[in-house]
Amino acid sequence: KQEVTQIPAALSVPEGENLVLNCSFTDSAIYNLQWFRQDPGKGLTSLLLIQSSQREQTSGRLNASLDKSSGRSTLYIAASQPGDSATYLCAVKKGGKLIFGQGTELSVKP
Amino acid sequence: ETGVTQSPTHLIKTRGQQVTLRCSSQSGHNTVSWYQQALGQGPQFIFQYYREEENGRGNFPPRFSGLQFPNYSSELNVNALELDDSALYLCASSGTSPGYTFGSGTRLTVV
Repeated sequence: KQEVTQIPAALSVPEGENLVLNCSFTDSAIYNLQWFRQDPGKGLTSLLLIQSSQREQTSGRLNASLDKSSGRSTLYIAASQPGDSATYLCAVKKGGKLIFGQGTELSVKP
Repeated sequence: ETGVTQSPTHLIKTRGQQVTLRCSSQSGHNTVSWYQQALGQGPQFIFQYYREEENGRGNFPPRFSGLQFPNYSSELNVNALELDDSALYLCASSGTSPGYTFGSGTRLTVV
């Protein structure tokens, strides 16, 4: 059974810091991995998608990496801003569905 | 592209009642999935529809049912509501490109 874990559960940093969010999964036979952002009480906004054959994807200040063999992905956020405050969720696609971690709640203090 | 639209945004129901949630898929997307997100948890897969047929289901009882229409819009129906059904219900659509587009969700409260 595929399980997805995100560490830490919550993170508070001062504005301007570079930070890394972690995601691990137990079954390496995934189709792809997607990172999402969720603002309180809102839906999910897709940030980055990494295909199983890829190692990383970049969009602006965000960089996501994927290491299937070790069952890990990281989301790197450069020069964090208060507007980055949200919950970040990773999800692996397997068997035609997304399996989510519980998320990391990020707070960036001005 | 119009994105994924869900209605209503909020809903309060009484235990034992039935509820219908609606979702309009992103233009060009023929697959729709529904997820349940309890407070503080990650979303859990309920089921998926492709071309009006259910083609995947998570660990949810039969009182959770769905429909997909020819225009690829979708409904999630929940019968005999229980207090634990209180959650954010998310609809996601996908097409030929990888990745999912999610709607803003429907917040269901069962009292």
